[in-house]
Amino acid sequence: AQSVTQPDIHITVSEGASLELRCNYSYGATPYLFWYVQSPGQGLQLLLKYFSGDTLVQGIKGFEAEFKRSQSSFNLRKPSVHWSDAAEYFCAVGGQGGKLIFGQGTELSVKP
Amino acid sequence: EPEVTQTPSHQVTQMGQEVILRCVPISNHLYFYWYRQILGQKVEFLVSFYNNEISEKSEIFDDQFSVERPDGSNFTLKIRSTKLEDSAMYFCASSEIAGSTDTQYFGPGTRLTVL
Repeated sequence: AQSVTQPDIHITVSEGASLELRCNYSYGATPYLFWYVQSPGQGLQLLLKYFSGDTLVQGIKGFEAEFKRSQSSFNLRKPSVHWSDAAEYFCAVGGQGGKLIFGQGTELSVKP
Repeated sequence: EPEVTQTPSHQVTQMGQEVILRCVPISNHLYFYWYRQILGQKVEFLVSFYNNEISEKSEIFDDQFSVERPDGSNFTLKIRSTKLEDSAMYFCASSEIAGSTDTQYFGPGTRLTVL
């Protein structure tokens, strides 16, 4: 069955530090992978997506993610975190019929 | 930038009552979705809709749920007889094309509280 695991429920980083949020997926075929961000009171906003080609994907707000098939991972990274990045981050895999299968989410806190 | 809107932002209802959650997808989009997120849990797919028909639905989407596009702009989710366990944040999404490759744009959600 298709599934997504985000092992870290909550991460705290200092402003200016680097960030990596982990995501592992289980999917039989070539996965379509997404990272969404949710700020309080807001909907889910797409950060980036991977369909094929270059395994390092650039997104909005300075985020990037790397697809590693051998590890079934699609980790999200940012070299220098800003206070405004504090939010909840969701990894998702595209399933049958266009539905998205989400991970549990990782809440990011940023220390000044 | 076009966006998906949802009303109301918060709905409180009594168990057994019917509720209708409303969404206005992005105007040129053709594919519509409902998801829900119970507090502290994953965002879960409920249903996808295209050309006035359900394309895909999850096991959560039972006979108590229905979706409709009553006019050219609105997309609604109806829960006929709400249960306590229906309390959740409900997200509407839309996409221009179907399939797992297209970006789904999400609304801000409706928080449903069933008492």
